[in-house]
Amino acid sequence: QITLTQQAESLWVSPGEKVSITCRASQSLLYTDGKHYLSWYQQRPGQTTKALIYHASIRTDGVPTRFIGSGSGTEFTLSIEDVQPEDIALYYCLQTLKKPNTFGAGTKLELK
Amino acid sequence: QVQLKESGPGLVQPSETLSLTCTVSGFSLTSYSVSWVRQPSGKGPEWMGRMWYDGDTAYNSALKSRLSISRDTSKNQVFLKMNSLQTDDTGTYYCTREGRVATGYFDYWGQGVMVTVSS
Repeated sequence: QITLTQQAESLWVSPGEKVSITCRASQSLLYTDGKHYLSWYQQRPGQTTKALIYHASIRTDGVPTRFIGSGSGTEFTLSIEDVQPEDIALYYCLQTLKKPNTFGAGTKLELK
Repeated sequence: QVQLKESGPGLVQPSETLSLTCTVSGFSLTSYSVSWVRQPSGKGPEWMGRMWYDGDTAYNSALKSRLSISRDTSKNQVFLKMNSLQTDDTGTYYCTREGRVATGYFDYWGQGVMVTVSS
């Protein structure tokens, strides 16, 4: 199965800063249609899990432009520019290229 | 609007069978696929399996021998049954909708149901 590694368990940020969360796949997530099957999710206590990015770089409806997905092949990054207090959450990457679909272990964004 | 809601017992005895229901609204199960995802406390999520929009199913091979996913389109419900539960099956179980074909992501999630396996 494809393993997704999110190296950082936690990242500390101050409001207004930029932060990058990385996700490394054990094999390329590029499909023959030219798209990467890598998506990003946000989990906040008491709220439903929210999809932020799909195909590595496409924001889902309503997601603020400060959330930026990038990367290709096996290396992917979720960047959050001008971090807001409501961005403090857990973030996960997910690959749906192959079965079983697999998630990263998660990165917790915390306030300095 | 699109909603998914999981329901089922919060406590299951070891070796017994877990039965969960995902009731959906705002979309048709014949147009969108639904996956089950579980998450042990403090750990990353695990994809369990999928009910495709066309009625086919797909399972995580690690769970396939214990897991069954079915649906009742007339009731807008997707069901999960998993047998031989053990303590490490404890966690929160979610149903999720998959975005339109070839987007490859889970666009809506339920709130989740906490399941504890304990005697």
